[in-house]
Amino acid sequence: QVQLKESGPGLVQPSQTLSLTCTVSGLSSTSNSVSWIRQPPGKGLEWMGVIWSNGDTDYNSAIKSRLSISRDTSKNQVFLKMNSLQTEDTAMYFCASSNFAYWGQGTLVTVSS
Amino acid sequence: DVVLTQTPPTLSATIGQSVSISCRSSQSLLHSNGNTYLNWLLQRPGQPPQLLIYLVSRLESGVPNRFSGSGSGTDFTLKISGVEAEDLGIYHCVQITHAPRTFGGGTKLELK
Repeated sequence: QVQLKESGPGLVQPSQTLSLTCTVSGLSSTSNSVSWIRQPPGKGLEWMGVIWSNGDTDYNSAIKSRLSISRDTSKNQVFLKMNSLQTEDTAMYFCASSNFAYWGQGTLVTVSS
Repeated sequence: DVVLTQTPPTLSATIGQSVSISCRSSQSLLHSNGNTYLNWLLQRPGQPPQLLIYLVSRLESGVPNRFSGSGSGTDFTLKISGVEAEDLGIYHCVQITHAPRTFGGGTKLELK
């Protein structure tokens, strides 16, 4: 069955770079897009960006200058890198498949010194 | 960017009650290909969102038929015909017609 799983550090220091991995199984990343979405504690969902099946990317304009999404098709993994983290970037980070049919469990990232 | 406005932000219901949630878009969600890409998600406490409805009214596999979606253009509605305890959580609408994809602010369904 389809599974997505996020992994990465739970704690990041302010001004540092966040690196997250989404490992996908049961679904080919070359046939499906994968999005990153985040949810600050007690708040709503924010779409961050997507890597399309052809490898092109689109980003939320509010964070575009800090964000990069890439992939390793041989490992069926999608990566998120976001720099210059601040406390307001503290959130649960999710990856999800095309049309949001499948989601990972999420990984909590806390930005704190 | 397309803004999705969900109302009400909080909904209190008793078991068995029928409820509706509205999602209004700042632009028409009708795509040039004729489809309207408006989905509904449910996020239970401590869980990731799950897809309930896609393309306005199509029920995702395994979702009970007490859930239904309707609407067109800029106005959409999710209806639950007979709330059950497992339905409690936050409901989100999301549009994927226009870039960037955007979510509504969410509607929290709680027990009265």
